[in-house]
Amino acid sequence: TQLLEQSPQFLSIQEGENLTVYCNSSSVFSSLQWYRQEPGEGPVLLVTVVTGGEVKKLKRLTFQFGDARKDSSLHITAAQPGDTGLYLCAGEDRDDKIIFGKGTRLHILP
Amino acid sequence: DVKVTQSSRYLVKRTGEKVFLECVQDMDHENMFWYRQDPGLGLRLIYFSYDVKMKEKGDIPEGYSVSREKKERFSLILESASTNQTSMYLCASSLLPLGQGVFFGQGTRLTVV
Repeated sequence: TQLLEQSPQFLSIQEGENLTVYCNSSSVFSSLQWYRQEPGEGPVLLVTVVTGGEVKKLKRLTFQFGDARKDSSLHITAAQPGDTGLYLCAGEDRDDKIIFGKGTRLHILP
Repeated sequence: DVKVTQSSRYLVKRTGEKVFLECVQDMDHENMFWYRQDPGLGLRLIYFSYDVKMKEKGDIPEGYSVSREKKERFSLILESASTNQTSMYLCASSLLPLGQGVFFGQGTRLTVV
């Protein structure tokens, strides 16, 4: 069974700090997505990365796909309270299935 | 924007009741999914469908069934609700290939008493 391990599970930091969260697997994925989920809502797609080594930026968020397409990272610069939420990564495997990680719960303190 | 709409945000049902959760998407997506989300367990796939009248079991189909009579609508049925089915239920849709992303509804928080 393919797994996506996300770390850390929980992260609480002060507003204005930088942070990086990780999504790792021993399997290769065709593509990888990041989602943010706020309490009581469904996850919302932030970005999809497809090419090994690809970097995408979404305002203060930087997403990177590993060269071997087995891992990814999300870096947030100058975190704000509005960044609080559950961050999920998901990968598309060779069987056209989507595998979700369990998420990193991020809390930004004002 | 893709819109996936679930019929209820909150539901409270009694043990043994038959429960219907409805989901509609407006973007002509081929694929539709039902997940449940529980603390510490993450998102678990219950059923998915690649086409009308087609269904495939996910990782935890026991106690559930689904119906897809029209492309835009995917229903989840709890045949006889039990307390261990208390959870957040999320419907989603996507195009093929799946790498384009999955679009979720707002979720239904179901409590079985």
